[in-house]
Amino acid sequence: DSGVTQTPKHLITATGQRVTLRCSPRSGDLSVYWYQQSLDQGLQFLIQYYNGEERAKGNILERFSAQQFPDLHSELNLSSLELGDSALYFCASTSGGITDTQYFGPGTRLTVL
Amino acid sequence: QKEVEQDPGPLSVPEGAIVSLNCTYSNSAFQYFMWYRQYSRKGPELLMYTYSSGNKEDGRFTAQVDKSSKYISLFIRDSQPSDSATYLCAMRGGADGLTFGKGTHLIIQP
Repeated sequence: DSGVTQTPKHLITATGQRVTLRCSPRSGDLSVYWYQQSLDQGLQFLIQYYNGEERAKGNILERFSAQQFPDLHSELNLSSLELGDSALYFCASTSGGITDTQYFGPGTRLTVL
Repeated sequence: QKEVEQDPGPLSVPEGAIVSLNCTYSNSAFQYFMWYRQYSRKGPELLMYTYSSGNKEDGRFTAQVDKSSKYISLFIRDSQPSDSATYLCAMRGGADGLTFGKGTHLIIQP
């Protein structure tokens, strides 16, 4: 158990809908990263937050957004969902130091029908 | 050319064999290198982390980094059926997001 929690475990929704995925980092960690894992693209970095502020962006679509709250949990919002958004979504956390490594949560499996 | 190349396998070896997994990369800015293990539909689990060229050993696992060749390896000694999983190499330049290889699917035959 990495100490990172994610909810829900599974999410099934329809095209055009909007969903919110939630992540709670390990105790004491200030930084949260979101990743998408699909069969064809592999694991891809989406976005990073540090202590409530956006720090880095990866391959995140404009339809996707995220935020980190004062209690340090983070939410990833996915809107106007398409079939191709079906994937595993992981968050990872670190304390934020440059040499820190990232510990991953169990993921949320999103299925868009 | 992708930033990180990793053979997807599958790689099938008998129990007890030494396993060698490899990645090559093209971005000279990568300074931190990791190996993660991922069981089916689970979160990636950190195995090894290194930020210098050379070898790092932890139990049955040895990570090797050659920055001059832009090549990293993971060796697993005395492989066990429980080692069957997908192994992902990952790397980054600073405190930013990781860039992953596609992962190698490893099968250890009892």
